[in-house]
Amino acid sequence: NAGVTQTPKFQVLKTGQSMTLQCAQDMNHNSMYWYRQDPGMGLRLIYYSASEGTTDKGEVPNGYNVSRLNKREFSLRLESAAPSQTSVYFCASGSGNSYEQYFGPGTRLTVT
Amino acid sequence: EDQVTQSPEALRLQEGESSSLNCSYTVSGLRGLFWYRQDPGKGPEFLFTLYSAGEEKEKERLKATLTKKESFLHITAPKPEDSATYLCAVPPKGGSSNTGKLIFGQGTTLQVKP
Repeated sequence: NAGVTQTPKFQVLKTGQSMTLQCAQDMNHNSMYWYRQDPGMGLRLIYYSASEGTTDKGEVPNGYNVSRLNKREFSLRLESAAPSQTSVYFCASGSGNSYEQYFGPGTRLTVT
Repeated sequence: EDQVTQSPEALRLQEGESSSLNCSYTVSGLRGLFWYRQDPGKGPEFLFTLYSAGEEKEKERLKATLTKKESFLHITAPKPEDSATYLCAVPPKGGSSNTGKLIFGQGTTLQVKP
């Protein structure tokens, strides 16, 4: 039982490049989330998916897109990376019947 | 606006020196308050859920309490392995458990020296 997994763990991009962060959970959870964590800013919600086939914007969605590929997988795409997107990105999942969320190990992204 | 504020931002303790971390919130109609622990380079790990004023939860040297406007995480006789960032979170006003959205505070970074 791996819980929530994320790939890659680290990534360096140049401004304007694109990439997709992958997330998968094996807990049969309905809801999945993408956060970014910056020093002094705490965790901020980028996008979430309350169930398979649905996605909604969170607090800071600009510059990102998401895909809920199936119940297990939720990906985050940066179409044209900017230095302001340098951050640590966390994926989380929840059952959808409560507010408890379970987090992956994170992806540290640097955009130069 | 829904807000969650944690204090202090950082706390340094000697091993065995008890203290408390604070989490205050402005969300009305609280539907739960959640505490997480985050170790450096890792994702947050769920600790406790508190639902009503007066409720308390304990885990080893940690005890979480809840009032109508804030929560405290009491650390009794801490050890170096308790060093971590502690985050609290609440559901936003109007939020549904079907979405499970949470608003997080900025966290308190605790360092316990031997």
